[in-house]
Amino acid sequence: DTGVSQDPRHKITKRGQNVTFRCDPISEHNRLYWYRQTLGQGPEFLTYFQNEAQLEKSRLLSDRFSAERPKGSFSTLEIQRTEQGDSAMYLCASTEQGALEAFFGQGTRLTVV
Amino acid sequence: GESVGLHLPTLSVQEGDNSIINCAYSNSASDYFIWYKQESGKGPQFIIDIRSNMDKRQGQRVTVLLNKTVKHLSLQIAATQPGDSAVYFCAETYGQNFVFGPGTRLSVLP
Repeated sequence: DTGVSQDPRHKITKRGQNVTFRCDPISEHNRLYWYRQTLGQGPEFLTYFQNEAQLEKSRLLSDRFSAERPKGSFSTLEIQRTEQGDSAMYLCASTEQGALEAFFGQGTRLTVV
Repeated sequence: GESVGLHLPTLSVQEGDNSIINCAYSNSASDYFIWYKQESGKGPQFIIDIRSNMDKRQGQRVTVLLNKTVKHLSLQIAATQPGDSAVYFCAETYGQNFVFGPGTRLSVLP
């Protein structure tokens, strides 16, 4: 499968714990996006990278959230001191240079209890 | 602020009929639009896209229409099948990212 891969698919954590998600974009796609989606809503933009540079962050991305893409390939999204309001589907997408079409992964569903 | 929205939150159609899903956008500077299909528990799947210099684009069983005058986008699905049941989102480019609407759930009745 050469699509966008996300790991884990599901994560249940206790409030206050830290969690980290991983995204492997389509090979050679230089742009990588993170979105958050709650039930019944469309995906909301969090941040995006061009290669290893994080170029834009949404106001939704509080100080407890941090994303990295150290080698310009895979990316991680960490949430520190999770809160129940962080429960959502976290989606990753990638696009190739010069293209606009974004391909999404299957997402990581986070449940904070 | 700028936003993308949908007129109908749910749509039920008979199998074999045509479906039309509508979307209104408010950012007149948007120059690219995409329709995504999302099945339960899965990520959004690209269906079809259109640039602002076009008013119609056709794919396999799907057609997207863009009316820039009234800032309206629609997705037409011909001969709707049970496998088309999903939530459909329109998205517009806003800066370097995409702004999604809340989605329309399409239910195909046997």
